[in-house]
Amino acid sequence: AQRVTQPEKLLSVFKGAPVELKCNYSYSGSPELFWYVQYSRQRLQLLLRHISRESIKGFTADLNKGETSFHLKKPFAQEGDSAMYYCALSGRYGNKLVFGAGTILRVKS
Amino acid sequence: DTGVSQDPRHKITKRGQNVTFRCDPISEHNRLYWYRQTLGQGPEFLTYFQNEAQLEKSRLLSDRFSAERPKGSFSTLEIQRTEQGDSAMYLCASSFLDLRASSYNEQFFGPGTRLTVL
Repeated sequence: AQRVTQPEKLLSVFKGAPVELKCNYSYSGSPELFWYVQYSRQRLQLLLRHISRESIKGFTADLNKGETSFHLKKPFAQEGDSAMYYCALSGRYGNKLVFGAGTILRVKS
Repeated sequence: DTGVSQDPRHKITKRGQNVTFRCDPISEHNRLYWYRQTLGQGPEFLTYFQNEAQLEKSRLLSDRFSAERPKGSFSTLEIQRTEQGDSAMYLCASSFLDLRASSYNEQFFGPGTRLTVL
């Protein structure tokens, strides 16, 4: 079964603190993993994907196949990072996306 | 091209009525996806098209739901005999898949249509 689990509904941190949003998945095969973000009153947009191995807005995520995890990290949170974050997976050629339930990140000043 | 557009943005209907939503993808995107999102959950896949062909349908898509993409451009999602459980945000996304390149096709999402069934 394809499943994405985000254990935290809400993560609240102070500005400048490190952030780690957790994501675990189950998939038979080699999935592609993504993080999507939705800022207030904006549409869902891609933040990063594991294949590109890049840092976007200071965020990184490493695919750990042994632990089937794809946690999103940022060393120093900014107030503009406050948003809903969704972890998602797909099969090869990017067919349907399977999303987790999402984590609200709230960065306090 | 300002991205994926959806119409209407909000729809309130009474139980038992039929509703139809429209999605206009980004120009020249050959793939179009429909998702449904309920409160507190992530988007759930409903169906997707490559050009005009509907390639996959989720079990969530009961026989009351039908989706079309007749000319491979815009798509419509119709719900017949709506039920209160159909209340949700319906999201459309589009992407361009180049099979020759075997590259990942990023899905671009629309703003969604929020359906409320009374």
